[in-house]
Amino acid sequence: NAGVTQTPKFRVLKTGQSMTLLCAQDMNHEYMYWYRQDPGMGLRLIHYSVGEGTTAKGEVPDGYNVSRLKKQNFLLGLESAAPSQTSVYFCASSWSGGDTGELFFGEGSRLTVL
Amino acid sequence: DQQVKQNSPSLSVQEGRISILNCDYTNSMFDYFLWYKKYPAEGPTFLISISSIKDKNEDGRFTVFLNKSAKHLSLHIVPSQPGDSAVYFCAASGGSARQLTFGSGTQLTVLP
Repeated sequence: NAGVTQTPKFRVLKTGQSMTLLCAQDMNHEYMYWYRQDPGMGLRLIHYSVGEGTTAKGEVPDGYNVSRLKKQNFLLGLESAAPSQTSVYFCASSWSGGDTGELFFGEGSRLTVL
Repeated sequence: DQQVKQNSPSLSVQEGRISILNCDYTNSMFDYFLWYKKYPAEGPTFLISISSIKDKNEDGRFTVFLNKSAKHLSLHIVPSQPGDSAVYFCAASGGSARQLTFGSGTQLTVLP
Protein backbone atom coordinates (compact mmCIF):
# COMPACT_ATOMS: atom_id res chain seq x y z
CA ASN A 1 0.00 0.00 0.00
CA ALA A 2 2.34 2.74 -1.28
CA GLY A 3 0.08 5.82 -0.92
CA VAL A 4 2.20 8.89 -1.75
CA THR A 5 5.81 8.29 -2.75
CA GLN A 6 8.45 11.00 -3.13
CA THR A 7 11.83 10.68 -4.85
CA PRO A 8 14.55 11.41 -4.04
CA LYS A 9 14.45 11.39 -0.23
CA PHE A 10 17.66 13.43 0.09
CA ARG A 11 19.56 15.69 -2.28
CA VAL A 12 22.41 18.16 -2.02
CA LEU A 13 22.71 20.80 -4.73
CA LYS A 14 25.07 23.64 -5.46
CA THR A 15 23.66 27.11 -6.03
CA GLY A 16 22.45 27.45 -9.60
CA GLN A 17 21.93 23.75 -10.25
CA SER A 18 18.56 22.39 -11.28
CA MET A 19 16.62 19.37 -10.12
CA THR A 20 13.20 17.77 -10.15
CA LEU A 21 11.32 16.17 -7.27
CA LEU A 22 8.87 13.45 -8.26
CA CYS A 23 5.67 12.67 -6.42
CA ALA A 24 3.57 9.63 -7.26
CA GLN A 25 0.24 8.60 -5.73
CA ASP A 26 -1.66 5.37 -6.27
CA MET A 27 -5.00 6.41 -4.73
CA ASN A 28 -6.49 7.94 -7.90
CA HIS A 29 -6.71 11.33 -6.18
CA GLU A 30 -7.59 14.38 -8.27
CA TYR A 31 -5.80 16.93 -6.11
CA MET A 32 -2.05 17.07 -5.49
CA TYR A 33 0.10 19.56 -3.60
CA TRP A 34 3.69 20.53 -2.90
CA TYR A 35 4.53 22.03 0.49
CA ARG A 36 7.79 23.09 2.07
CA GLN A 37 8.49 22.89 5.79
CA ASP A 38 10.92 25.27 7.44
CA PRO A 39 11.67 25.71 11.17
CA GLY A 40 9.11 28.00 12.82
CA MET A 41 7.17 28.39 9.57
CA GLY A 42 5.04 25.29 9.45
CA LEU A 43 3.97 23.93 6.08
CA ARG A 44 3.67 26.43 3.25
CA LEU A 45 1.96 25.63 -0.03
CA ILE A 46 4.18 26.03 -3.10
CA HIS A 47 1.97 24.84 -5.97
CA TYR A 48 -1.01 22.59 -6.33
CA SER A 49 -3.08 20.82 -8.98
CA VAL A 50 -6.80 20.14 -9.11
CA GLY A 51 -6.53 17.55 -11.86
CA GLU A 52 -4.41 16.17 -14.68
CA GLY A 53 -3.00 18.95 -16.83
CA THR A 54 -3.74 21.71 -14.31
CA THR A 55 -1.47 23.62 -11.94
CA ALA A 56 -1.92 26.66 -9.69
CA LYS A 57 0.28 28.82 -7.49
CA GLY A 58 0.23 28.54 -3.75
CA GLU A 59 1.62 30.80 -1.05
CA VAL A 60 5.33 30.59 -1.99
CA PRO A 61 5.63 29.71 -5.72
CA ASP A 62 8.65 31.82 -6.70
CA GLY A 63 11.64 29.82 -7.92
CA TYR A 64 9.61 26.66 -8.51
CA ASN A 65 7.75 25.15 -11.45
CA VAL A 66 5.41 22.16 -11.53
CA SER A 67 3.80 19.83 -14.01
CA ARG A 68 0.94 17.31 -13.82
CA LEU A 69 1.12 15.44 -17.11
CA LYS A 70 -0.31 12.27 -15.59
CA LYS A 71 -2.97 12.07 -12.91
CA GLN A 72 -0.78 10.01 -10.59
CA ASN A 73 2.35 12.18 -10.84
CA PHE A 74 3.16 15.72 -9.73
CA LEU A 75 6.64 17.07 -10.44
CA LEU A 76 8.31 19.98 -8.66
CA GLY A 77 11.22 21.63 -10.45
CA LEU A 78 13.90 24.02 -9.33
CA GLU A 79 15.52 25.64 -12.38
CA SER A 80 18.28 27.49 -10.52
CA ALA A 81 18.57 26.42 -6.90
CA ALA A 82 19.27 29.00 -4.19
CA PRO A 83 20.29 28.48 -0.54
CA SER A 84 16.87 29.86 0.49
CA GLN A 85 15.34 26.74 -1.06
CA THR A 86 17.03 24.51 1.50
CA SER A 87 14.04 22.86 3.11
CA VAL A 88 12.05 19.68 3.56
CA TYR A 89 9.53 19.25 0.76
CA PHE A 90 6.28 17.33 1.18
CA CYS A 91 3.95 16.16 -1.51
CA ALA A 92 0.31 15.45 -0.67
CA SER A 93 -2.83 14.30 -2.44
CA SER A 94 -6.54 14.30 -1.69
CA TRP A 95 -9.90 13.19 -3.09
CA SER A 96 -11.44 16.63 -2.86
CA GLY A 97 -10.03 20.03 -2.22
CA GLY A 98 -7.80 20.22 0.83
CA ASP A 99 -10.24 22.59 2.46
CA THR A 100 -12.75 19.83 3.16
CA GLY A 101 -10.85 16.65 2.55
CA GLU A 102 -8.05 14.86 4.29
CA LEU A 103 -4.59 15.25 2.76
CA PHE A 104 -2.32 12.24 2.44
CA PHE A 105 1.35 13.17 2.66
CA GLY A 106 4.52 11.55 1.42
CA GLU A 107 7.52 11.03 3.70
CA GLY A 108 9.30 14.17 2.58
CA SER A 109 12.38 15.08 0.55
CA ARG A 110 15.20 16.90 2.30
CA LEU A 111 16.98 19.33 -0.03
CA THR A 112 20.15 21.20 0.85
CA VAL A 113 21.44 23.95 -1.42
CA LEU A 114 25.05 24.96 -0.80
CA ASP B 1 1.53 37.58 8.28
CA GLN B 2 0.65 34.19 9.72
CA GLN B 3 -3.09 33.58 9.59
CA VAL B 4 -2.83 30.43 11.69
CA LYS B 5 -0.69 30.65 14.80
CA GLN B 6 0.52 28.05 17.24
CA ASN B 7 2.26 30.11 19.88
CA SER B 8 3.69 27.21 21.88
CA PRO B 9 6.59 25.57 20.03
CA SER B 10 6.72 22.78 22.59
CA LEU B 11 4.71 21.13 25.36
CA SER B 12 5.64 18.40 27.86
CA VAL B 13 3.03 16.32 29.68
CA GLN B 14 3.14 13.31 31.99
CA GLU B 15 1.72 10.06 30.70
CA GLY B 16 -1.94 9.69 31.64
CA ARG B 17 -2.54 13.43 31.99
CA ILE B 18 -4.34 15.72 29.57
CA SER B 19 -2.48 17.42 26.71
CA ILE B 20 -3.96 20.68 25.45
CA LEU B 21 -2.59 22.13 22.21
CA ASN B 22 -3.76 25.57 21.17
CA CYS B 23 -4.21 27.32 17.84
CA ASP B 24 -5.35 30.85 16.97
CA TYR B 25 -6.42 32.20 13.61
CA THR B 26 -6.97 35.68 12.25
CA ASN B 27 -8.99 35.09 9.07
CA SER B 28 -12.70 35.27 9.97
CA MET B 29 -13.54 33.52 6.69
CA PHE B 30 -11.95 30.25 7.84
CA ASP B 31 -14.71 27.66 8.29
CA TYR B 32 -12.93 24.30 8.40
CA PHE B 33 -10.16 23.31 10.76
CA LEU B 34 -7.93 20.25 10.95
CA TRP B 35 -5.17 18.83 13.12
CA TYR B 36 -2.31 16.78 11.69
CA LYS B 37 0.29 14.78 13.58
CA LYS B 38 3.86 14.33 12.39
CA TYR B 39 6.51 11.88 13.57
CA PRO B 40 10.20 12.44 12.70
CA ALA B 41 11.16 11.40 9.16
CA GLU B 42 7.51 10.85 8.23
CA GLY B 43 4.89 12.94 6.51
CA PRO B 44 2.03 14.52 8.49
CA THR B 45 -1.05 12.37 9.01
CA PHE B 46 -4.60 13.58 9.50
CA LEU B 47 -5.87 13.40 13.07
CA ILE B 48 -9.20 15.17 13.47
CA SER B 49 -11.23 18.00 11.94
CA ILE B 50 -14.07 20.35 12.81
CA SER B 51 -16.43 22.48 10.78
CA SER B 52 -17.37 25.96 11.92
CA ILE B 53 -20.98 24.86 12.42
CA LYS B 54 -19.81 22.80 15.39
CA ASP B 55 -17.96 23.74 18.55
CA LYS B 56 -16.71 20.29 19.47
CA ASN B 57 -15.70 17.08 17.74
CA GLU B 58 -14.53 13.89 19.44
CA ASP B 59 -12.65 10.87 18.18
CA GLY B 60 -11.56 8.50 20.89
CA ARG B 61 -8.94 10.15 23.06
CA PHE B 62 -8.87 13.24 20.83
CA THR B 63 -11.28 16.18 21.07
CA VAL B 64 -11.11 19.43 19.16
CA PHE B 65 -12.87 22.51 20.51
CA LEU B 66 -13.66 25.56 18.40
CA ASN B 67 -14.38 29.02 19.80
CA LYS B 68 -15.34 31.12 16.80
CA SER B 69 -15.79 34.37 18.69
CA ALA B 70 -12.24 34.10 20.02
CA LYS B 71 -10.90 32.63 16.75
CA HIS B 72 -9.35 29.87 18.79
CA LEU B 73 -9.28 26.12 18.64
CA SER B 74 -7.70 23.55 20.87
CA LEU B 75 -6.87 19.87 20.71
CA HIS B 76 -7.30 17.82 23.88
CA ILE B 77 -5.67 14.42 24.24
CA VAL B 78 -6.88 12.37 27.20
CA PRO B 79 -5.17 10.33 28.49
CA SER B 80 -1.84 11.20 26.91
CA GLN B 81 0.41 8.31 25.91
CA PRO B 82 4.15 8.24 25.04
CA GLY B 83 3.20 7.30 21.47
CA ASP B 84 1.44 10.67 21.17
CA SER B 85 4.84 12.41 21.23
CA ALA B 86 4.98 14.17 17.86
CA VAL B 87 4.64 17.56 16.20
CA TYR B 88 1.01 18.67 15.90
CA PHE B 89 -0.01 21.07 13.14
CA CYS B 90 -3.19 23.08 13.13
CA ALA B 91 -4.63 23.92 9.68
CA ALA B 92 -7.55 26.00 8.43
CA SER B 93 -9.37 26.87 5.22
CA GLY B 94 -12.27 29.01 4.06
CA GLY B 95 -13.32 32.05 2.07
CA SER B 96 -10.92 32.74 -0.77
CA ALA B 97 -8.32 30.48 0.86
CA ARG B 98 -9.69 27.15 -0.32
CA GLN B 99 -6.36 25.48 0.27
CA LEU B 100 -5.15 24.65 3.76
CA THR B 101 -3.13 27.19 5.74
CA PHE B 102 -0.95 25.52 8.38
CA GLY B 103 0.36 26.74 11.70
CA SER B 104 4.01 26.39 12.69
CA GLY B 105 3.44 23.30 14.81
CA THR B 106 3.77 22.29 18.47
CA GLN B 107 6.16 19.55 19.59
CA LEU B 108 4.35 17.42 22.18
CA THR B 109 6.45 15.22 24.45
CA VAL B 110 4.62 12.76 26.68
CA LEU B 111 6.87 11.65 29.53
CA PRO B 112 6.52 8.08 30.86
